[in-house]
Amino acid sequence: GQNIDQPTEMTATEGAIVQINCTYQTSGFNGLFWYQQHAGEAPTFLSYNVLDGLEEKGRFSSFLSRSKGYSYLLLKELQMKDSASYLCAVVYQLIWGAGTKLIIKP
Amino acid sequence: DAGVIQSPRHEVTEMGQEVTLRCKPISGHNSLFWYRQTMMRGLELLIYFNNNVPIDDSGMPEDRFSAKMPNASFSTLKIQPSEPRDSAVYFCASSLGGLNSPLHFGNGTRLTVT
Repeated sequence: GQNIDQPTEMTATEGAIVQINCTYQTSGFNGLFWYQQHAGEAPTFLSYNVLDGLEEKGRFSSFLSRSKGYSYLLLKELQMKDSASYLCAVVYQLIWGAGTKLIIKP
Repeated sequence: DAGVIQSPRHEVTEMGQEVTLRCKPISGHNSLFWYRQTMMRGLELLIYFNNNVPIDDSGMPEDRFSAKMPNASFSTLKIQPSEPRDSAVYFCASSLGGLNSPLHFGNGTRLTVT
C-alpha cells in the first residue's frame, strides 16, 4: 500500500533549530514536496527534492534519501511566524502525509 | 499575478441541496487539481485535469460529486445532493506541469452542510 508518516505535532523554541521527518512507502517515486500551511490558510510550496541530498533555501533545508524512503525538513533560526503545519507529499499520484503541526514557543 | 481564485469563500447549505464551487487557475498553468481537507482525513485529491481533460478522478467520493473544466481558465466542482459528511475545506490548485510541478493553491471554500 501507499503510506507516508510524519509526527503529528512538534514543539520548538524561537531561535532554535527543528527537524521534521517524513518517511514513505509508495509503489513509485518521482520526487517529494514540502508545503507549509498556516491555520485557516492554503498550503504554500517550500521545496521539491528529486535526487538524494540536501537542498538549502534560506532558513529552510530539505533532505532526501530515496534508498531509505526518508526525508526531513530543517528549519533554522525559528521565528514565531513558522508556527504552522508542514506537509510532505510524494510525487507518485501525489500522496500526502497528514502533516506535522509545529508550535513555536518564545 | 492574481493567483488561483476560488469562490465562494464560505458556503453554508442544507442537506440535499446542490453546491457548486468555482475555480480560476493561474493563467498559463495547464494542470488543475481539486482537493478536500478535513481534520480526520487530511488533504485528499479528488480529481485533477491536464489541459482541461480529467486525468484521475479516482478520489471523487461517489456519484454525487462531479467536476468540469470547460476551458483553461475555469473549473467547477459540484455536489448534488450534499450531505453533512461533505463538510470540509475544498481547495483548488494549479500547476505548470502536472504532478511534478509545485502546486499553487487557492484560498479554499469552507463548506458546511447542515
